[in-house]
Amino acid sequence: GNSVTQMEGPVTLSEEAFLTINCTYTATGYPSLFWYVQYPGEGLQLLLKATKADDKGSNKGFEATYRKETTSFHLEKGSVQVSDSAVYFCALRRASGTYKYIFGTGTRLKVLA
Amino acid sequence: DTEVTQTPKHLVMGMTNKKSLKCEQHMGHRAMYWYKQKAKKPPELMFVYSYEKLSINESVPSRFSPECPNSSLLNLHLHALQPEDSALYLCASSHTSGSTDTQYFGPGTRLTVL
Repeated sequence: GNSVTQMEGPVTLSEEAFLTINCTYTATGYPSLFWYVQYPGEGLQLLLKATKADDKGSNKGFEATYRKETTSFHLEKGSVQVSDSAVYFCALRRASGTYKYIFGTGTRLKVLA
Repeated sequence: DTEVTQTPKHLVMGMTNKKSLKCEQHMGHRAMYWYKQKAKKPPELMFVYSYEKLSINESVPSRFSPECPNSSLLNLHLHALQPEDSALYLCASSHTSGSTDTQYFGPGTRLTVL
């Protein structure tokens, strides 16, 4: 079946550190891949997406590349800020047949000043 | 404009009450979704509406009753809920069922059942 696996959190970093949050997936065909961010007390916001292999999604300094050979979509940022503290969800949407998104369990990021 | 609005922001209700959650979008999206999110967990899909018709019900108990009166509005009617139904209820919308379509989420309604 389809699934998304994210690294366990919480991840605690100092300001300006490099961030990587790992995400791997299992799916048939060519799903679309997404990263969402959820700040405390809020809904989910789309951070970036990629719809085909080798696509790179980017937004607000965050990047992720759709790697079909390793079935991965790792989130990276070169220099995190305190304001990046949030929960990050990796998600996939199958290529056909359903409206369903499959979410990972989420990774909590805490950035210290 | 990529805004999905939800009202109320917070709701406290007793187990015998009847209440409704409301979701609205004006992006011309034809697919709308209800999710339930418990603390420190990912969102769990409850219902999907496509072109105002219910297309997915993820075996949700009948005490939750969705309604899509038009393409911009989505309601979730609540009746005889249990304390374990306390959660953040998120609404989302997307253009269509296409696999590249992005879901846009509202801020959620935080529901407490006493």
